[in-house]
Amino acid sequence: KNQVEQSPQSLIILEGKNCTLQCNYTVSPFSNLRWYKQDTGRGPVSLTIMTFSENTKSNGRYTATLDADTKQSSLHITASQLSDSASYICVVRRRDDKIIFGKGTRLHILP
Amino acid sequence: DGGITQSPKYLFRKEGQNVTLSCEQNLNHDAMYWYRQDPGQGLRLIYYSQIVNDFQKGDIAEGYSVSREKKESFPLTVTSAQKNPTAFYLCASSLTSGRSYEQYFGPGTRLTVT
Repeated sequence: KNQVEQSPQSLIILEGKNCTLQCNYTVSPFSNLRWYKQDTGRGPVSLTIMTFSENTKSNGRYTATLDADTKQSSLHITASQLSDSASYICVVRRRDDKIIFGKGTRLHILP
Repeated sequence: DGGITQSPKYLFRKEGQNVTLSCEQNLNHDAMYWYRQDPGQGLRLIYYSQIVNDFQKGDIAEGYSVSREKKESFPLTVTSAQKNPTAFYLCASSLTSGRSYEQYFGPGTRLTVT
């Protein structure tokens, strides 16, 4: 069954700390995986995209990893800022272009 | 200033009334999509269109209708047949060539039906 599971559901950390969000998927055949950031009441915005052959990709303080063998991805946020408070959504695309969305991790950064 | 816009941001309707949500893009994207987002759930695809005058049902099309008369516009009508219409609706667009193409999302419309 094609599913994308994210953990934790929600996370609270202090400003300046690091955190890692997890995404496990059973989607097949795999094409690519994106991480989106969604601010409250706004549309999602793409942070990174990773294909089968890519292990790590960075976008500023955001670093995504992909292990295609274990079907796991993570999003690491370094030196968190208040503006990082948002939902982070893992999205996997199949080779037939069907897109499966995770439910997201809600991240709260406290001052 | 390129982008994808949705209007209105908030919409209130009485039960039994049809309502149309607007989505416009000036990114010259061929594909457009409508999603519904409910608390604690992932985005669910309502309808999508890859070319003008053509569209396909997504996973939860019942109670919704769309049209694609222009490349730039993909309005969504929430009909009275939709049993739980209150939700956050997101429109997106993308290119159709190449599998790395990104979906660009609009700011969303929050629909409340009472």
